[in-house]
Amino acid sequence: KAGVTQTPRYLIKTRGQQVTLSCSPISGHRSVSWYQQTPGQGLQFLFEYFSETQRNKGNFPGRFSGRQFSNSRSEMNVSTLELGDSALYLCASSLAASGSADTQYFGPGTRLTVL
Amino acid sequence: QQQVKQSPQSLIVQKGGISIINCAYENTAFDYFPWYQQFPGKGPALLIAIRPDVSEKKEGRFTISFNKSAKQFSLHIMDSQPGDSATYFCAGAGDSNYQLIWGAGTKLIIKP
Repeated sequence: KAGVTQTPRYLIKTRGQQVTLSCSPISGHRSVSWYQQTPGQGLQFLFEYFSETQRNKGNFPGRFSGRQFSNSRSEMNVSTLELGDSALYLCASSLAASGSADTQYFGPGTRLTVL
Repeated sequence: QQQVKQSPQSLIVQKGGISIINCAYENTAFDYFPWYQQFPGKGPALLIAIRPDVSEKKEGRFTISFNKSAKQFSLHIMDSQPGDSATYFCAGAGDSNYQLIWGAGTKLIIKP
């Protein structure tokens, strides 16, 4: 089975621009979670989508948004980029049937640099 | 109520030694405690996980010890090897939405 794929792997943007990141989960996985990882800050949860619905949301401003398509692929969008948005953005997929904790499988991440 | 506190932030261990990373949780509803390992340039990967019906789980050189009354769990790496050098994250889940709550991570360096 192919793993979680994320595109692009690296991205350089300037302040004020917007960016869209893509995640393709493992086949059969219906849950996709997004995380922001910065040095010294660990994994900060952004949001989780399950069957095209946002099921959980972290404490990030509204500039961060996402969506999930019927094939479980997910996109994350950040508008009006700020310097502090520079980070590794990780996507994780799981089977995650409602009401059960399940192993999350992570992609390699997208490294976003905001200049 | 939702935090998972992980310590130490960084750890240096000699090859062949025992590496110990500790986590403490607050939410008594948690019933799933995974450990993830992350190498530079890669996403985290599940290493080992435990549920509170057992006090210890061992997989090869990796052992999770779980203390339900103290709301603490720890990862022990026996005979630590340079290839174990990575960042380790603990997490907890079990509330109504089963969202994983993550520790801050421990950067482990094994000196040859």
